[in-house]
Parts: sequence; C-alpha cells; structure tokens
Amino acid sequence: GAGVSQSPSNKVTEKGKDVELRCDPISGHTALYWYRQSLGQGLEFLIYFQGNSAPDKSGLPSDRFSAERTGGSVSTLTIQRTQQEDSAVYLCASSLNWGGNGYTFGSGTRLTVV
Amino acid sequence: KQEVTQIPAALSVPEGENLVLNCSFTDSAIYNLQWFRQDPGKGLTSLLLIQSSQREQTSGRLNASLDKSSGRSTLYIAASQPGDSATYLCAVENEKLTFGTGTRLTIIP
Repeated sequence: GAGVSQSPSNKVTEKGKDVELRCDPISGHTALYWYRQSLGQGLEFLIYFQGNSAPDKSGLPSDRFSAERTGGSVSTLTIQRTQQEDSAVYLCASSLNWGGNGYTFGSGTRLTVV
Repeated sequence: KQEVTQIPAALSVPEGENLVLNCSFTDSAIYNLQWFRQDPGKGLTSLLLIQSSQREQTSGRLNASLDKSSGRSTLYIAASQPGDSATYLCAVENEKLTFGTGTRLTIIP
C-alpha cells in the first residue's frame, strides 16, 4: 500500500485479556519497528525487525509482550494478560532498509485497558 | 547507548517569527537523522531526512542542519504559522532508531 497501515485504530479491552495489534508496512520495506507512546510521554522502543535477521527484542517490557513478522511483511504485536499500564498508543514504522532511507509511521493503535 | 536530547521541551512564539529547535545526540556514528512532527492524538509525519554525509536539507519553510561531529542538529522554521503548532521529534539511526523527547511548539496567532 501507499503507507503503513495499523489495525485496529482503537482497541478497548478488559484487564487480563489478550490483544493482537497489526501492522502492514509499505510493500518491500525490510525494516520494521514497534514503539509505544504513553499519554504525554515520548516514544518507547519495543522491537525491531530487519529482513531475515533475528529481531531485536530488547525493548519489550515483559514476557507478556511478543511480536512476529510473517513472510517479511505483516507484523503482529501480541500482549497477553493485559494490564492497565499497557494502555498507550502503539506505533509501527517501516523503512526500505536499515541505515539510510528514513522511516514512515502508521497512525497507531490506541489501546485502552479497563 | 545513544541518547538524544531536545531543547527546549516547549516553546511558544508569536505567528510570523522564525524559530530554531535543537537536537543533540551522544554517539556521532549515525547513518541519518530524521525530523518528525506529531499532532495531538496522531502518528508521526516525516519532515526531513538528513543522511550522515549531508549537512542540511530544506523543504519549504523548513531547514534542517546536521553537524555530525558535534552531535547536533537544528530545525529552522521560517515565518511560523498557527498550523505549525505540534510536537517536533528528532530521531537518529545507528544500531537502532532512537528518538528525542520532543519539543512542543505553540504558535500564537
């Protein structure tokens, strides 16, 4: 597609439920990031995929968080047993390649855990 | 570990003024630096991308400079307009894409 697409745009879930957030990067982009932005805060790095390399998971805040990227394209961020502190906007970004092409962001998924 | 700092954290200026936003980073071995704007409740919109070999980039009323050796970048906005009100973020890419905490800009009509 023309841009990075994220779905859903908004998600309200009950505490303890699992959620899946989806990111469709720009076609052909090999680099993909997930960030989290809590209300009034900066961007918190979560995970980074680059081509077929092992992802950099160093930003995942707990083992309740996981992400995968199937076929080098679509990525899914899964949060298990959601907590209220997981409420935030989850942003995805992609780039043609690592190290030089700049990143395009999606509009984000606003997650609210009640 | 790369650290990115943006000063000031917030800035209010009257419409029509020129202004400068600052970004500094600790590890100068970067591939590029990118400036974004974020409107409230929205995602990030890319403004300018400066490669490590470049010193500046311009787009309309925006001009971004990069001094890699000193770890600094500036975003210059000419003839500011109320529509420029947003949070401006810089991000540097080396091993990872690292963001500053942003400057919240308010243009007063």
